[in-house]
Amino acid sequence: KAGVTQTPRYLIKTRGQQVTLSCSPISGHRSVSWYQQTPGQGLQFLFEYFSETQRNKGNFPGRFSGRQFSNSRSEMNVSTLELGDSALYLCATRKAGGYNEQFFGPGTRLTVL
Amino acid sequence: AQRVTQPEKLLSVFKGAPVELKCNYSYSGSPELFWYVQYSRQRLQLLLRHISRESIKGFTADLNKGETSFHLKKPFAQEEDSAMYYCALRSDVDSSYKLIFGSGTRLLVRP
Repeated sequence: KAGVTQTPRYLIKTRGQQVTLSCSPISGHRSVSWYQQTPGQGLQFLFEYFSETQRNKGNFPGRFSGRQFSNSRSEMNVSTLELGDSALYLCATRKAGGYNEQFFGPGTRLTVL
Repeated sequence: AQRVTQPEKLLSVFKGAPVELKCNYSYSGSPELFWYVQYSRQRLQLLLRHISRESIKGFTADLNKGETSFHLKKPFAQEEDSAMYYCALRSDVDSSYKLIFGSGTRLLVRP
């Protein structure tokens, strides 16, 4: 079966712009989580969505937001980009209920100039 | 505070040597711990979780609650084990699924 897909894979933006990243989960996966990966801070949890509702949010400013659609696809948005937002953004999806393995996408590499 | 610590950024061993990747955690509840691996140019993937008590690719990890550790071990390293390894703790606030990752250890297995 197809894995988690993320688009675009690479993105270059300038400070002050906004960006939208997309994540398509594995079929049947209703939980979508987003992580930011940087050399300095490592992998940090951004938020989790389940059934179109945000279930948890990490310690990030309000410029970071997300949403989930009825088909479980998710988008995250970063407004007023800063240089420090340059990172690899990973999406991870899993089935609902109990323990189910979380599968990661390849990531979107965002560079802010 | 919930935290995962991997003290070594790089671990270099020769093929056939034993490997131990260290992971310590701080968590007030009953922890659920994982090891993830990322091979070169591949996605982050689950290697093993403490509850399953499995041995995957020859790797094992035992949860030691007294020492708050979850070290990853393999008796004989192979070159194909070279990768980035991340220890992670699940924080299950309100049944959400949030992973707290350590900073990672790069394992380099030399021929």
